Amino acid sequence: QKEVEQNSGPLSVPEGAIASLNCTYSDRGSQSFFWYRQYSGKSPELIMFIYSNGDKEDGRFTAQLNKASQYVSLLIRDSQPSDSATYLCAVNPQSSASKIIFGSGTRLSIRP
Amino acid sequence: DAGVTQSPTHLIKTRGQHVTLRCSPISGHKSVSWYQQVLGQGPQFIFQYYEKEERGRGNFPDRFSARQFPNYSSELNVNALLLGDSALYLCASSLPGAAGANVLTFGAGSRLTVL
Repeated sequence: QKEVEQNSGPLSVPEGAIASLNCTYSDRGSQSFFWYRQYSGKSPELIMFIYSNGDKEDGRFTAQLNKASQYVSLLIRDSQPSDSATYLCAVNPQSSASKIIFGSGTRLSIRP
Repeated sequence: DAGVTQSPTHLIKTRGQHVTLRCSPISGHKSVSWYQQVLGQGPQFIFQYYEKEERGRGNFPDRFSARQFPNYSSELNVNALLLGDSALYLCASSLPGAAGANVLTFGAGSRLTVL
């Protein structure tokens, strides 16, 4: 079992719709969860992080965390073509405070 | 303010050579982490340094080493390069303290090609 799992996609969503990206993790004691966006040929940039169960909203982005199910998701409302990128889920496992483990990423394509 | 800066941006080496990659963190950030990202995969953790001490090491061979200097900049060294070392090497810095300790800000990366 991979430590952080994501559907590789591509996920195709029409412009203006809600994009839903999902991630599961294996370390039940994980405390910090992150979503990064990576455009082709560029480095990852942080979208948001979440520590507590529930929802956290930032503009068009909402992160959802369910520690009991070991599941974290990212919703993007009113999707724009500029949202087309690879989205990386990342987790800070309990076993190592210094390490952030990344999933392989989900490619998101917003079609006009 | 300058973000995380990395050099060189691109480099080509041959098998068996060594390489040194450099990173300057965001001003005020005392922690530097190194990641390797191969095409189609997420970044893989190599090292974390905080206050010049190694705080974590990923599952990489001893050919990989790093250090952090008093000004918090860092070097990643890779010896005896293999074709499989071809990747984007990412440096990230983060704030000290519990709240921001693991919120990573990445540099643009150093793309290494081993022939």
